[in-house]
Amino acid sequence: LAKTTQPISMDSYEGQEVNITCSHNNIATNDYITWYQQFPSQGPRFIIQGYKTKVTNEVASLFIPADRKSSTLSLPRVSLSDTAVYYCLVGRSSASKIIFGSGTRLSIRP
Amino acid sequence: DAGVIQSPRHEVTEMGQEVTLRCKPISGHNSLFWYRQTMMRGLELLIYFNNNVPIDDSGMPEDRFSAKMPNASFSTLKIQPSEPRDSAVYFCASSLAGGLLNEQFFGPGTRLTVL
Repeated sequence: LAKTTQPISMDSYEGQEVNITCSHNNIATNDYITWYQQFPSQGPRFIIQGYKTKVTNEVASLFIPADRKSSTLSLPRVSLSDTAVYYCLVGRSSASKIIFGSGTRLSIRP
Repeated sequence: DAGVIQSPRHEVTEMGQEVTLRCKPISGHNSLFWYRQTMMRGLELLIYFNNNVPIDDSGMPEDRFSAKMPNASFSTLKIQPSEPRDSAVYFCASSLAGGLLNEQFFGPGTRLTVL
């Protein structure tokens, strides 16, 4: 499993774009990058997954540079309801372990 | 779809008692996962099943913990005897295909307090 490093916390305001970067220097060739979101008192929820370049869905975008040693989760025009912990995971589908880590605690203010 | 269903949502018990947590995965999902979440240790994978067969239970903390999946629509996580340090939120998740990095759908969790 590739070790991931992400900021412990971030603050932003409603209507802003938020970018959360995850470092994964020892990512392997077959590894994918996956992000989950966890609201207080709820289980994590899958947000997005990618392998390279850019992936976009109705919730977020995921930017992955060519060397894949980092990735950035982009949340457009955040609202108060985007306050949550965001986890970056790196690994392959056949991996026998999964590590959520400490995540990034995102706080959105009015 | 109702999503992953867990019961009970809250459980308070005394040290030494047996605790059984229950999970119903999303219909049609082939993989089921049990996690534990605490402030100190974060979210930890305890065990996971593919097609009702346990694949990896190396995350189970000790012999007091056991998990079963008698059929595709039901799984249990049992702690016997329980200890105060087992207090945590226990999540069950399921996914359509095997593999830890495939999209997992989490249940609401069971908050366990062992006095």
